[in-house]
Order: sequence, then structure tokens, then C-alpha cells
Amino acid sequence: EDQVTQSPEALRLQEGESSSLNCSYTVSGLRGLFWYRQDPGKGPEFLFTLYSAGEEKEKERLKATLTKKESFLHITAPKPEDSATYLCAVVNYGGSQGNLIFGKGTKLSVKP
Amino acid sequence: DVKVTQSSRYLVKRTGEKVFLECVQDMDHENMFWYRQDPGLGLRLIYFSYDVKMKEKGDIPEGYSVSREKKERFSLILESASTNQTSMYLCASTNYRGEGYTFGSGTRLTVV
Repeated sequence: EDQVTQSPEALRLQEGESSSLNCSYTVSGLRGLFWYRQDPGKGPEFLFTLYSAGEEKEKERLKATLTKKESFLHITAPKPEDSATYLCAVVNYGGSQGNLIFGKGTKLSVKP
Repeated sequence: DVKVTQSSRYLVKRTGEKVFLECVQDMDHENMFWYRQDPGLGLRLIYFSYDVKMKEKGDIPEGYSVSREKKERFSLILESASTNQTSMYLCASTNYRGEGYTFGSGTRLTVV
């Protein structure tokens, strides 16, 4: 069964304290892995798509990487406005057209 | 930018009412999806559609139906609302290759 597991469930950081969020996955054939940011009461906001092992993408203080079994979202020198829930999701070749399989998210809190 | 618009941010309905949630996208995407999001359970797929008048069940279709009469519009219908359908409902769309995944801002439905 296709599965996505995110860890930790919650992460508290001080402003400027870099860290990483993990997303491990088991799928029959990975079509793509997505990272989203979600603020309370709002829909997920797209951050990155990664398609193959070794791929990396960056946006401001965020960097996403991908291996054959997991993805990391690295946060460098975070600021309080980075506080949000970060969601990881995959699309597989064997599944329905474009159906995302989500992890349960990591809730990040950055204290000033 | 792709825009996915959900007609209501907040709704309060009574048990037994028929409820319509509307979603419109403006990028000519073939695929549209309805998810619900609950604390501790993450996002779960209710229904999706890959073409006008086409629909497929997701992981939790019971108690829901959908309608897609036009390419840009995908409606979720709660035939007889129940309290266990209180949730955040999220609509999303992609092209036929599963690219450009974009979510709406969500509808917080409360059934009393």
C-alpha cells in the first residue's frame, strides 16, 4: 500500500535555528513528490515538486531534496513567519490520475 | 497563476440538509479533486473527476456525491448532512498529466 510518513509531527525552533523536516514514502512508482505549506484555516500553498532522486529545489530559506525513499525540507535560519504546517504528498504511476497521497504534516513553530 | 476558487469560506448547516460546495478553476485543467481535512487524519480524497461528466470515488466517498457539468466547475454534494461531516473541505485541480497541482482556500463546514 502506498504510504507517506512525515516526521516529526511538531517542531519548535528558535529564530535562526536551522533544521530539517522528513518525508518518507513507499509507492509503487513515484511520479512526483510535492511539498506544501498550510497556514491555519487556509488551503495548502504549493512550494516544490521533485521528480527524481538527487533532485533539489530552493526557495528563499527552504530547500527540498529527494532520495529513492525520502525527501527532506531544510529550513535555514527560519523566521517566525515560517511558522506553518508543512505537508508532503506523492503521486504514483499506479494510482488514479493525479491523485495525491498525503502525509499528516509537520507543524513548525518558530519563536522570536 | 492558476486560481481555484471555492464559493464559501465558512458554512453552517443543519443535520439532514442537502449541502452544495462549489469549486471553480480558471486554467482549463482536466482533473479536479475534493478532499476533506481533519485533525490527526490529514487530507483524504473524497471524489475526483478527470473530464466533464466523469467521476471516480476516492478513499471516503460515502455520504457524498459530485457533479461536473462544465470543465471549470466541480461540485461536492452532501445528500443529507450529518455531524460527522463537519470538516475542512478542499478542492484542487491539475492538468491531465497531474501537473500544476493547486488548491482552493478551503470551506470550513459545520453541521449542527
